[in-house]
Amino acid sequence: DAKTTQPTSMDCAEGRAANLPCNHSTISGNEYVYWYRQIHSQGPQYIIHGLKNNETNEMASLIITEDRKSSTLILPHATLRDTAVYYCIVRLDNDMRFGAGTRLTVKP
Amino acid sequence: DAMVIQNPRYQVTQFGKPVTLSCSQTLNHNVMYWYQQKSSQAPKLLFHYYDKDFNNEADTPDNFQSRRPNTSFCFLDIRSPGLGDAAMYLCATSPGTHQPQHFGDGTRLSIL
Repeated sequence: DAKTTQPTSMDCAEGRAANLPCNHSTISGNEYVYWYRQIHSQGPQYIIHGLKNNETNEMASLIITEDRKSSTLILPHATLRDTAVYYCIVRLDNDMRFGAGTRLTVKP
Repeated sequence: DAMVIQNPRYQVTQFGKPVTLSCSQTLNHNVMYWYQQKSSQAPKLLFHYYDKDFNNEADTPDNFQSRRPNTSFCFLDIRSPGLGDAAMYLCATSPGTHQPQHFGDGTRLSIL
């Protein structure tokens, strides 16, 4: 079973920040938090990952709480092309177990 | 340019007739994975190769086999497809264990 809990769906206005939460209360000390997204009819796309510290790249920012029991993926300026299912995954090694994900809809 | 390539995008086979799905990569990654994704569900890992070492998930049916003849190619063989095997099959690669996976766009398998 997936070790993460995410909202089933979220909406976001185009141009605004999208904040996607994820709970992973049973995460162990050496497990990473990964985020992927899947646009309809495509394979999942890697977004970002982190262990303890907050991370930022050209796509998004990842905020991990100090106790590591939850995290938030931030898309700073959402566009219509960001509409997708976003998966938060807790991963130790090659065992990457996807949960149900959050369906993000960016609206004009 | 596509770096993880799955052909064909759509495959149709008959109930019980063996089928092979293919995946190739131009990334020279050590690890290759196969996932099954049924309609409206999340991807589920079937197995992976770390170089030539095969690692099967405990709940992957025996009907599913895999081959990796070289670094670039990996095949998924379904020996006797049933109606429940209709799904999108996704191939992914990564340089090593603790590194992001790169996915292909999948092969959608239909069973008649």
